[in-house]
Amino acid sequence: KAGVTQTPRYLIKTRGQQVTLSCSPISGHRSVSWYQQTPGQGLQFLFEYFSETQRNKGNFPGRFSGRQFSNSRSEMNVSTLELGDSALYLCASSRDSSYLNTEAFFGQGTRLTVV
Amino acid sequence: GIQVEQSPPDLILQEGANSTLRCNFSDSVNNLQWFHQNPWGQLINLFYIPSGTKQNGRLSATTVATERYSLLYISSSQTTDSGVYFCATDSGGSYIPTFGRGTSLIVHP
Repeated sequence: KAGVTQTPRYLIKTRGQQVTLSCSPISGHRSVSWYQQTPGQGLQFLFEYFSETQRNKGNFPGRFSGRQFSNSRSEMNVSTLELGDSALYLCASSRDSSYLNTEAFFGQGTRLTVV
Repeated sequence: GIQVEQSPPDLILQEGANSTLRCNFSDSVNNLQWFHQNPWGQLINLFYIPSGTKQNGRLSATTVATERYSLLYISSSQTTDSGVYFCATDSGGSYIPTFGRGTSLIVHP
């Protein structure tokens, strides 16, 4: 079966712009979680959606937001981009709402560069 | 929040060598998981192991929850084992995962 698909794979944006990243989970998975990975801060949890509801949110400013659609596909949006938002953004999907478990599968990520 | 520390930060091995990676955490945990991030950035689940011992081929992991650490063993390492190994855990009622900074492993042929 198809894995977790993230689009686009690479993105270059200018400071002040906004960006939307997409994540299509594995069929049948209802939980999607998002992570930011930077050399300075490492891997950090952004938020998790389950059945179109945000269940948990990490310690990020309100410029970072997300949503989940009825087909479980999720998008995350970053507004007013800053240079520090340059990162690899990863999403993971799992069947249920527990995302630290053996059924969580990650996409290949979207590498965002802010110039 | 919970602190997660991994050691060593870097490891260089010759193919065929064995290694032990360590993950210390500062509080009791609900879940603990080990991941491998390949050189292309993809994270792969290795073990879900909040306690006890598990083995999968050349890899095994042990978590001693009462002493707040987990170990990942890699035996007979291969070049394809190269990458970064992360442990992640959560604590209390938050279920928000916290990742360690990882161990970067390079296996030379």
